[in-house]
Amino acid sequence: GAVVSQHPSRVICKSGTSVKIECRSLDFQATTMFWYRQFPKQSLMLMATSNEGSKATYEQGVEKDKFLINHASLTLSTLTVTSAHPEDSSFYICSARSGYSNQPQHFGDGTRLSIL
Amino acid sequence: AQTVTQSQPEMSVQEAETVTLSCTYDTSESDYYLFWYKQPPSRQMILVIRQEAYKQQNATENRFSVNFQKAAKSFSLKISDSQLGDAAMYFCALSSGYALNFGKGTSLLVTP
Repeated sequence: GAVVSQHPSRVICKSGTSVKIECRSLDFQATTMFWYRQFPKQSLMLMATSNEGSKATYEQGVEKDKFLINHASLTLSTLTVTSAHPEDSSFYICSARSGYSNQPQHFGDGTRLSIL
Repeated sequence: AQTVTQSQPEMSVQEAETVTLSCTYDTSESDYYLFWYKQPPSRQMILVIRQEAYKQQNATENRFSVNFQKAAKSFSLKISDSQLGDAAMYFCALSSGYALNFGKGTSLLVTP
């Protein structure tokens, strides 16, 4: 149980395009979803937290107009990187949590984004 | 503010031996949760073990166990009978109900 599917796993696109990444909880309802960014050989850095039906809460330094997050249902959250540039290239990983805050987060497999 | 510190960037263990990964943390919250996640080269984040701060008993999951010292704010992970498949990055994480705060990770190498 507690499976989180993240799609796509790998994206290569030209500078200036927008990229959408989907995060789905397959067998549970995710009241809260999280988006992280991970640079090579570094830890996960929280970008934003989203609760179903409400606006995402962004961490300090994360541009909300650059990284659009939508959590339209209890099983789906999307991250759209708008007008992507090479510096946005990174590994993006989502996680989902059900119910109470003491429940563990379950992670998707991540998306490797490369902007040319 | 919450912080998580993993002081061992790399560790090495021989197959079938035991290894302990260190983690210290700091938080002003009284109610919090601690986790160890494993990230193999595939970069998938896998939950290894979790510990509720209010529980005195150390959590165990098969070959994985923790030594939770609340007063010292220490949360180490012990891996017994190490296997080649245990080779990965291990992240210690702290949550007080919001998001996870991760340490910088420890890279574990398992040698035959």
